[in-house]
Amino acid sequence: NAGVTQTPKFQVLKTGQSMTLQCAQDMNHNSMYWYRQDPGMGLRLIYYSASEGTTDKGEVPNGYNVSRLNKREFSLRLESATPSQTSVYFCASSEWWGDGRYEQYFGPGTRLTVT
Amino acid sequence: AQSVTQLDSHVSVSEGTPVLLRCNYSSSYSPSLFWYVQHPNKGLQLLLKYTSAATLVKGINGFEAEFKKSETSFHLTKPSAHMSDAAEYFCVVSDGRAGTALIFGKGTTLSVSS
Repeated sequence: NAGVTQTPKFQVLKTGQSMTLQCAQDMNHNSMYWYRQDPGMGLRLIYYSASEGTTDKGEVPNGYNVSRLNKREFSLRLESATPSQTSVYFCASSEWWGDGRYEQYFGPGTRLTVT
Repeated sequence: AQSVTQLDSHVSVSEGTPVLLRCNYSSSYSPSLFWYVQHPNKGLQLLLKYTSAATLVKGINGFEAEFKKSETSFHLTKPSAHMSDAAEYFCVVSDGRAGTALIFGKGTTLSVSS
């Protein structure tokens, strides 16, 4: 049981390059999220997917796209990277179970630098 | 709509003294509330969570938090700080409905001196 996995762990891009951050969870959670963390800002929601087949914008969606590939996988794409997208990116998943339990887990993060 | 405010960006304590990290929230629904800790260059670790059960919640490493609806607060406490508690702490709110996102506070950095 790996929990939430993210790849890559580190990435350096030049301005204008594109890349996709991958996230997968093996806990059968319906909901998945992408956050970015910047100093003094906490974690800010970029996009989320309440369930397979749905995606919604969060607080800071500009410059990003997402794909909920299946129930397990939720990818984040930067089409044309800018230095303002230098950040640490966290993927998370969550589920409310029928018996009232709530689970949420975060991935280890991807540290992205755009030069 | 939900929001969370961490009232102190930085708290400094001496080892062995009590810790208080303050958090106020706003939520249109019955909220679920969480505290996460992040040590330098590490990922997020869940300390404790409130999901409409007992209002006093005990977490890992001796931390606890009390949900006070009348004050819309969820302050984190620990009776005696340890050097290893030095980290950044995030208060997080969810409106408790399936599929809704977690909203993070901006964080409180806890420093512990010997």
